Amino acid sequence: DIQMTQSPSSLSASVGDRVTITCRASQSISSYLNWYQQKPGKAPKLLIYAASSLQSGVPSRFSGSGSGTDFTLTISSLQPEDFATYYCQQSYSTSVTFGQGTKLEIK
Amino acid sequence: EVQLVESGGGLVKPGGSLRLSCAASGFTFSNAWMSWVRQAPGKGLEWVGRIKSKTDGGTTDYAAPVKGRFTISRDDSKNTLYLQMNSLKTEDTAVYYCTTDEYSSSSGTTSFDYWGQGTLVTVSS
Repeated sequence: DIQMTQSPSSLSASVGDRVTITCRASQSISSYLNWYQQKPGKAPKLLIYAASSLQSGVPSRFSGSGSGTDFTLTISSLQPEDFATYYCQQSYSTSVTFGQGTKLEIK
Repeated sequence: EVQLVESGGGLVKPGGSLRLSCAASGFTFSNAWMSWVRQAPGKGLEWVGRIKSKTDGGTTDYAAPVKGRFTISRDDSKNTLYLQMNSLKTEDTAVYYCTTDEYSSSSGTTSFDYWGQGTLVTVSS
């Protein structure tokens, strides 16, 4: 299976900060990379698909970049509702895998 | 509005069986690829498996930890997805989500666009 490694595992930031989360694949996955946001007790929500395409309805402060093995999710100006856990996910192989998650907390 | 509603979770003993259902509405279910994703308490997300639409062969794929024990099926006449879980282990304890497995023709990629609220399966003696 393709291993997905996110960094950092947790992050403290303040409202208004610019935040970047990194995801690295164990082999090249082209642009077959999605990002999800999950709040406690809720189902995950798709934010970014195909590495850099913003899902309909998702605020433009979220952006994604990268290809091959290295990817980033950037939140340009943190809002109170953005404090959550973020997961990357590869859809390059039939056996889908997720990163371990990055918990974004309020500083 | 797309809705996915899981049911069938509960407490089961190790070695036991359980069948989860996911009732879908708000989209053409028969055309959709569907997946199950689970989340153990306090842990991350783990893909369980998928079923393709019948027009795409209706085939299934599974993650290694569940292959041979879990079976995904669908009843397009009832707009319902199923997950039959046999030989359950304590490590199968998780919230199980059903998701749509969307293909983007522009990017050639797939993503889990819509999720249900999840149903909790607890495997314990």
